[in-house]
Amino acid sequence: DTAVSQTPKYLVTQMGNDKSIKCEQNLGHDTMYWYKQDSKKFLKIMFSYNNKELIINETVPNRFSPKSPDKAHLNLHINSLELGDSAVYFCASSRTANTEAFFGQGTRLTVV
Amino acid sequence: AQSVTQLDSQVPVFEEAPVELRCNYSSSVSVYLFWYVQYPNQGLQLLLKYLSGSTLVKGINGFEAEFNKSQTSFHLRKPSVHISDTAEYFCAVRIIQGAQKLVFGQGTRLTINP
Repeated sequence: DTAVSQTPKYLVTQMGNDKSIKCEQNLGHDTMYWYKQDSKKFLKIMFSYNNKELIINETVPNRFSPKSPDKAHLNLHINSLELGDSAVYFCASSRTANTEAFFGQGTRLTVV
Repeated sequence: AQSVTQLDSQVPVFEEAPVELRCNYSSSVSVYLFWYVQYPNQGLQLLLKYLSGSTLVKGINGFEAEFNKSQTSFHLRKPSVHISDTAEYFCAVRIIQGAQKLVFGQGTRLTINP
């Protein structure tokens, strides 16, 4: 059983398109996150949700819009994709906002 | 704001040799500390964590880390590495109260040579 699952694993798309990445966790956790890993492997938080409410938005362009339909899901929608959006996006969850995070396998987004 | 510095971007080691991956952090408030491992084309897996108590923390796969508050360090060690330990290792901090996010270091690429 996959604890935190993301789909798709790979996403190749053209500049200007709109795309979504889905994330689901079956751990019963209250808090979910999106992290971005750039080409140099640097990881940075983008968003954090606690019980479906946004609690962290780290100066991410408003082309990125997270959506949490319920506690188990946190999807990421990206409008008007740019070349610089190419990265690996990781979804994660934690039992509370203060405990360790469990990560998904990542979605490698390539914008051409 | 807190920050994490991993002092070595790459560490090559021979199989069965000991290894230490260095991590220093900066924070004006108390923190929790973590080490994660990322195998090629995979997500991050928690190796170990320091929340409180004993400063020597043991994790999975034979790794351990020591929290040193005076030196603001949390170095990761393993007495004898295997080829399968080849991966990217990330140190991370989370402040105990306040913004609920992990702040990561830049990562250390550990390469085990036969």
